Amino acid sequence: QSVLTQPPSVSAAPGQRVTISCSGSSSNIGNNFVSWYQQLPGTAPKLLVYHNNQRPSGIPDRFSGSRSGTSATLGITGLQTGDEADYYCGTWDSSLSEVVFGGGTKLTVL
Amino acid sequence: EVQLVESGGGFVQPGGSLRLSCAASGFTFSGYEMNWVRQAPGKGLEWVSYISISGSTIYYTDSVKGRFTISRDNAKNSLYLQMNSLRAEDTAIYYCARELRMNYWGQGTLVTVSS
Repeated sequence: QSVLTQPPSVSAAPGQRVTISCSGSSSNIGNNFVSWYQQLPGTAPKLLVYHNNQRPSGIPDRFSGSRSGTSATLGITGLQTGDEADYYCGTWDSSLSEVVFGGGTKLTVL
Repeated sequence: EVQLVESGGGFVQPGGSLRLSCAASGFTFSGYEMNWVRQAPGKGLEWVSYISISGSTIYYTDSVKGRFTISRDNAKNSLYLQMNSLRAEDTAIYYCARELRMNYWGQGTLVTVSS
């Protein structure tokens, strides 16, 4: 059971928009920065968003992040088949003194 | 170019030990905190341990406390994870990742614990 809660799967058609939610508590999302990672099949995770809504260089603006209270959301617009991957949210938990991840969300582009 | 290259994984029996290494290049290793993150086959990401720049601050996930030890050698641009008393549930790909935001990851090294 993950500390952060994500939907197991989401799907949408190419060109559409999808959002992935990440729910936590005041000890993690509520008071610490959230990051989002993309893991393509058979590869290492890749940072998509950090500090709730900042994109590393090279990450297209189709990917966006937001945080409200104890929840965070990853948005992906203009979906492409190459976006099919597992997506994880992560943050520091001040009560546990640990990094915590969501269970991951599998994105299918129909 | 930032590179992180893990090594040291392999097959070990329950109760055994392994030492993982992560060789860093393309950046000033001594200026960055580091993490170990693992992923069991078919499962999600699980953070394992964190070490600060100087090594003076260290954190572990509960399931590895007392069994795993994270360390670093800034002169050798290397991060380590000493894993003792290994259990079947430690079977996973182990990644090293830079900073708490984990902006760079290695390719991972597979650890298999089985009798």
